[in-house]
Amino acid sequence: ETGVTQTPRHLVMGMTNKKSLKCEQHLGHNAMYWYKQSAKKPLELMFVYSLEERVENNSVPSRFSPECPNSSHLFLHLHTLQPEDSALYLCASSQVWGETQYFGPGTRLLVL
Amino acid sequence: KNEVEQSPQNLTAQEGEFITINCSYSVGISALHWLQQHPGGGIVSLFMLSSGKKKHGRLIATINIQEKHSSLHITASHPRDSAVYICAVSGDALNFGKGTSLLVTP
Repeated sequence: ETGVTQTPRHLVMGMTNKKSLKCEQHLGHNAMYWYKQSAKKPLELMFVYSLEERVENNSVPSRFSPECPNSSHLFLHLHTLQPEDSALYLCASSQVWGETQYFGPGTRLLVL
Repeated sequence: KNEVEQSPQNLTAQEGEFITINCSYSVGISALHWLQQHPGGGIVSLFMLSSGKKKHGRLIATINIQEKHSSLHITASHPRDSAVYICAVSGDALNFGKGTSLLVTP
C-alpha cells in the first residue's frame, strides 16, 4: 500500500465511450503524474501536475484529457479512444517534481 | 535510441545468486531512480540517488556520474525478487529504460 489509489482497476470501453480514470493520494504530495505502459515498451510519461498546474504534456493525443482539481486528486478523461490505447495507466505522486515517486496500482484499460 | 539503456533485458538466476543489473544514460541528470514492478503491475520505488551508493536490505544501488552509469545489485537472491527492474533518470525530463525482467528460480 503506497498511499496512492486508482479507480477503476480494470476498464473495458468501446471506441465511442467516454470514461474517466481517477487517482487519489493521501501523502501530502505536490506533484502527480500519469503514465502509460504498453506491452514491451518503456513507461511513457503522459502528464505532470505540480501544485495543480500542468507542467508537462508529452505530445499526448487530445483524446486524453487530464484534470487536477486539487493536490490530492488527478483524473484522466478518455474519449473516442483507439484499440492501440489499450494499456496499463499508472498514476504516481511525489513530494516535488523529480523526487521519489509513489505509484498507484494502475488501471488496466482495454479499448474494443 | 533510448536515452536510458538497461542490460540485460532478461535475466534468470538461481536462488542465492548475486545479481547485477546495469543502467547507462546519455543525458544530464539530477537523479537516477530504480523501480521494481511485480507481475500484477504495481510499481515500487527502490532507490533515488544522485551520487555514490545506497543500500536497503539485500539491495544495493551505485551510480557513477562521470561514466553516466548505475548498477543495481541483489545479494542472496530469492524467488520473491522476481520482477521487472526499471531504471529512470530525472533532469529536464523523466526518461525510463525498458526494464530488466528478472526470474529467480528455487
